[in-house]
Amino acid sequence: GAGVSQSPRYKVAKRGQDVALRCDPISGHVSLFWYQQALGQGPEFLTYFQNEAQLDKSGLPSDRFFAERPEGSVSTLKIQRTQQEDSAVYLCASSLTQGRAILNYGYTFGSGTRLTVV
Amino acid sequence: AQKITQTQPGMFVQEKEAVTLDCTYDTSDQSYGLFWYKQPSSGEMIFLIYQGSYDEQNATEGRYSLNFQKARKSANLVISASQLGDSAMYFCAMRGPSAGGTSYGKLTFGQGTILTVHP
Repeated sequence: GAGVSQSPRYKVAKRGQDVALRCDPISGHVSLFWYQQALGQGPEFLTYFQNEAQLDKSGLPSDRFFAERPEGSVSTLKIQRTQQEDSAVYLCASSLTQGRAILNYGYTFGSGTRLTVV
Repeated sequence: AQKITQTQPGMFVQEKEAVTLDCTYDTSDQSYGLFWYKQPSSGEMIFLIYQGSYDEQNATEGRYSLNFQKARKSANLVISASQLGDSAMYFCAMRGPSAGGTSYGKLTFGQGTILTVHP
């Protein structure tokens, strides 16, 4: 597609519910990042995929968070047993290449999924 | 660890005037990249401008310019001739850090500055 697409745009979950957030990157983009953005804050890194390989998951806040990109395109961020502190906007970004070469191509961000846990 | 600091929670500017948004950074990397993004209320991150640590000249993109002072570790964004549509949240971000010699390109963001342009 022309841009990075994220769905749903908004999600309200009851505390304890599991949720799945989807990211459709630009076709052919090798790198895919997930970020968490709390209200009024800057985005914080969650995890990184290079094609289907999850090379960095150091930012995932707990083992309730799980991400996958099984075929190297669409990615899903799953949050189990949601808590109120999980309320945030979840941003996905993709890039044509990886590593230092990203500087030549930059990143394209999606519009995010706003998750509210009640 | 890398850190980005934006000390201005909010800034106001009159339409058609210039405004500077401050950004300071801290890193032990010799090679790094600095980005500025605009985030309107719709939520998407819009790329504005990029500065590489080895670039000798300050980056410019239309009405946007980056005042890069490497020794002071600052990368301020200058918006000239402000427009009402410039009202948004602005983020400074840095690529990195390296891990085992490989940089995956993840970004570290500052806290952001809300810019309001008055008519």
